[in-house]
Amino acid sequence: GEDVEQSLFLSVREGDSSVINCTYTDSSSTYLYWYKQEPGAGLQLLTYIFSNMDMKQDQRLTVLLNKKDKHLSLRIADTQTGDSAIYFCAERRTGNQFYFGTGTSLTVIP
Amino acid sequence: DAGVIQSPRHEVTEMGQEVTLRCKPISGHDYLFWYRQTMMRGLELLIYFNNNVPIDDSGMPEDRFSAKMPNASFSTLKIQPSEPRDSAVYFCASARGLANEKLFFGSGTQLSVL
Repeated sequence: GEDVEQSLFLSVREGDSSVINCTYTDSSSTYLYWYKQEPGAGLQLLTYIFSNMDMKQDQRLTVLLNKKDKHLSLRIADTQTGDSAIYFCAERRTGNQFYFGTGTSLTVIP
Repeated sequence: DAGVIQSPRHEVTEMGQEVTLRCKPISGHDYLFWYRQTMMRGLELLIYFNNNVPIDDSGMPEDRFSAKMPNASFSTLKIQPSEPRDSAVYFCASARGLANEKLFFGSGTQLSVL
C-alpha cells in the first residue's frame, strides 16, 4: 500500500526525550524527512536522512533509520514546551512524489 | 527568498460557489505540489507539476477540482462547485527536482464551505 504510518499522539514531560516513530512503504525511497507543523502554520522541514545512512544527528534531533524494517524514528532530546506540534515523516519516492504520514501530535507537559 | 506564498489565507464560501486558491512557488523550483489536510484523512497529495506540466493528478477527488500552472511562478487550484466536504486546509509546496532537495510548504489556505 501507499500508507506511511505513525502513531497519532505522544505526551512527554518537559526535559525528557521524545521518540516519534514512522513506518514507510517504499524500499526504493532515497530520502526520508521529518517535518514539524505548529498550529495554524504550514509544515517546516526539521531534518532529513539519506537512505544509505543509519543515523543522523542535528543538535537535539537524532534520526534513526532501519532500512530493512522500513522504520524511521525521530528523537528529540531535552524536549521543551516549544516542541509541542505535529510531526510528520515523509518519504520521497521515485517520480519525485512526497508521501506523508498521518502525523504525530506531540504534547509537552511542563 | 520569501518562500512559498499562498492566498488567500482564509476563505469562507457558500456551497455551490467557485473557489480559487493561488500559489507562488519559490523561484527556481521546478516541482509544485498541492496537498489537502483534514483531520480524518491527514495530508493528501492532490496533484503535482513539473516544469508547469501536470504529472500526476490521481489524487484530485473529482471533476469539481482542477489545477493549472500557466507559468513557473503561479499555480491555481479551483473547486467548482464547492461542497461542505471540501472544507480543509490546502497547502501548496515546491521543490527542486534534484534527489536531495527538500519540499517547502506555504502557510496554507483554510477553506470553509458552508
